[in-house]
Amino acid sequence: DVKVTQSSRYLVKRTGEKVFLECVQDMDHENMFWYRQDPGLGLRLIYFSYDVKMKEKGDIPEGYSVSREKKERFSLILESASTNQTSMYLCASSLGGVANYGYTFGSGTRLTVV
Amino acid sequence: AQTVTQSQPEMSVQEAETVTLSCTYDTSENNYYLFWYKQPPSRQMILVIRQEAYKQQNATENRFSVNFQKAAKSFSLKISDSQLGDTAMYFCAFMGASQAGTALIFGKGTTLSVSS
Repeated sequence: DVKVTQSSRYLVKRTGEKVFLECVQDMDHENMFWYRQDPGLGLRLIYFSYDVKMKEKGDIPEGYSVSREKKERFSLILESASTNQTSMYLCASSLGGVANYGYTFGSGTRLTVV
Repeated sequence: AQTVTQSQPEMSVQEAETVTLSCTYDTSENNYYLFWYKQPPSRQMILVIRQEAYKQQNATENRFSVNFQKAAKSFSLKISDSQLGDTAMYFCAFMGASQAGTALIFGKGTTLSVSS
């Protein structure tokens, strides 16, 4: 069964900490994405990556960075966590190419910054 | 910029009934893809149905079907014979086809509750 795995389901961090959210896919997908999900706001794109070492800013990249050193792994980094980054974070991956068949999602990480 | 609008924040339906979730979108592109995703309480996002804009025929997947009106930029999801397991948040999403690997743009979601 193909999967996108997020390393933590729940995470509690303190303000100012550096936080790493890890995502691994086993489908050899070219594209990987990080979204945050907030009530009433839907899913908003933070960053995405078309290929190893490539990254593109999404709609809300401020306060975040990403790393993709290997094709299967896409990490989201909160350089200095703040309370307004308390949210659900969803990772997803997809095949490359124009005939896109949608994403495969991970189960999400609920991050609380205190 | 493309936008996706889901005008119904919450809906409720009885088991075995039919329910329709609305979605409209705005784009200047002629070719694109539309999706409905389901997010149950377990949080795992699941693809429900996919529509390619250049195909006139509405997509169907078992009890799920869409009404795709390209001129009106409307993409509604119909769930027939609703089941308790259909209780979830449903997201409509858009992807342009002009560039490979373009990110999905999501609506804000509709919470559907199915009761017995």
